[in-house]
Amino acid sequence: DARVTQTPRDKVTEMGQEVTMRCQPILGHNTVFWYRQTMMQGLELLAYFRNRAPLDDSGMPKDRFSAEMPDATLATLKIQPSEPRDSAVYFCASGSTGLTYNEQFFGPGTRLTVL
Amino acid sequence: AQTVTQSQPEMSVQEAETVTLSCTYDTSESDYYLFWYKQPPSRQMILVIRQEAYKQQNATENRFSVNFQKAAKSFSLKISDSQLGDAAMYFCAYRSASGDDKIIFGKGTRLHILP
Repeated sequence: DARVTQTPRDKVTEMGQEVTMRCQPILGHNTVFWYRQTMMQGLELLAYFRNRAPLDDSGMPKDRFSAEMPDATLATLKIQPSEPRDSAVYFCASGSTGLTYNEQFFGPGTRLTVL
Repeated sequence: AQTVTQSQPEMSVQEAETVTLSCTYDTSESDYYLFWYKQPPSRQMILVIRQEAYKQQNATENRFSVNFQKAAKSFSLKISDSQLGDAAMYFCAYRSASGDDKIIFGKGTRLHILP
């Protein structure tokens, strides 16, 4: 059963600490997306990759957020330093440009709480 | 730029009844894809149904069906024989067929199922 995995599921940290979230896309998928979900803003696209190349990170606060794909099986989202306003659920999703619909398959999300 | 609008922030339906969730979108393109995603309290985003714009036949997946009106730019979701497990946030989404991988999401409609 192919699925997107994310770690950790939940993370509580103190303001100023570094946070790293990891995502394993579905094997064979070549697009990866990072979203942030809050009650106020809904789902926001932070960054996305195609064939491991970053194509759009315009939704990401550049001063503290960074997203990378070290290899095809791992995507990371890092926040340094974290702030209370970063508290949200962060989703990773993957897709394949080889499929007709190129729909996105979501991971279970990481709930981040910054105290 | 394309937009997706879900005008009903919340809806309720009696168990076993039928409910329709509304979605409209704005685009100047003729070829695109539309999706409905479900997010239950577990927070996992699940693809419910999808539709290609150039297919006139409305998509159906078991108790879920859509009413796709291309000229009106409307894409409503009908849930028949509502079950307690259908309680969730439902997101309507749009993807251009022009090669853009990004999906544009609406703000969501929270569906309550009344026993």
